[in-house]
Amino acid sequence: DTEVTQTPKHLVMGMTNKKSLKCEQHMGHRAMYWYKQKAKKPPELMFVYSYEKLSINESVPSRFSPECPNSSLLNLHLHALQPEDSALYLCASSPRGRNYGYTFGSGTRLTVV
Amino acid sequence: GESVGLHLPTLSVQEGDNSIINCAYSNSASDYFIWYKQESGKGPQFIIDIRSNMDKRQGQRVTVLLNKTVKHLSLQIAATQPGDSAVYFCAENTGNQFYFGTGTSLTVIP
Repeated sequence: DTEVTQTPKHLVMGMTNKKSLKCEQHMGHRAMYWYKQKAKKPPELMFVYSYEKLSINESVPSRFSPECPNSSLLNLHLHALQPEDSALYLCASSPRGRNYGYTFGSGTRLTVV
Repeated sequence: GESVGLHLPTLSVQEGDNSIINCAYSNSASDYFIWYKQESGKGPQFIIDIRSNMDKRQGQRVTVLLNKTVKHLSLQIAATQPGDSAVYFCAENTGNQFYFGTGTSLTVIP
């Protein structure tokens, strides 16, 4: 298995809702990442997990809460989002260490109404 | 044709021509670079990488050039095909994370 699987593919949520994005990989990668991508913009790093521990939080608002239950799964819990949080949320994984490329999932297209 | 990937520029090329996509990176300490291709509705897909101890690397129909003096990367695609139409991002590895450049949208005209 050489894929990163993200669910759901599309999500519409209200500003008072709580929802979660899920990401799964079975490549034995020990680093996992969340990126946010707005239309016609590059992906922006949000969080980095290394060996299931949060190692990087790029000053992301607390309404985004990541979780790494085990080495294969990565979640992003969403609560009280704003319309400007609408974006494509990408998950990626890589072998731990420098000089390895990331494998990206296809993303979750999130719309906040 | 060629472009400078600073403000999501667009590049249109005829099928069969060669394409050159450019990227300026920001951190002189970055030592590993990747070009990604992103098609509509999909996540970025690895194309080719290069380490800072190299200035050129070739793959199948693609070549990456690295000029560390001016912090510049380029991606050359030979004999561009309609399936090459996508947005292309360069990414630099800084502190064990990849940060993406602005991107260039490539359109191949049949």
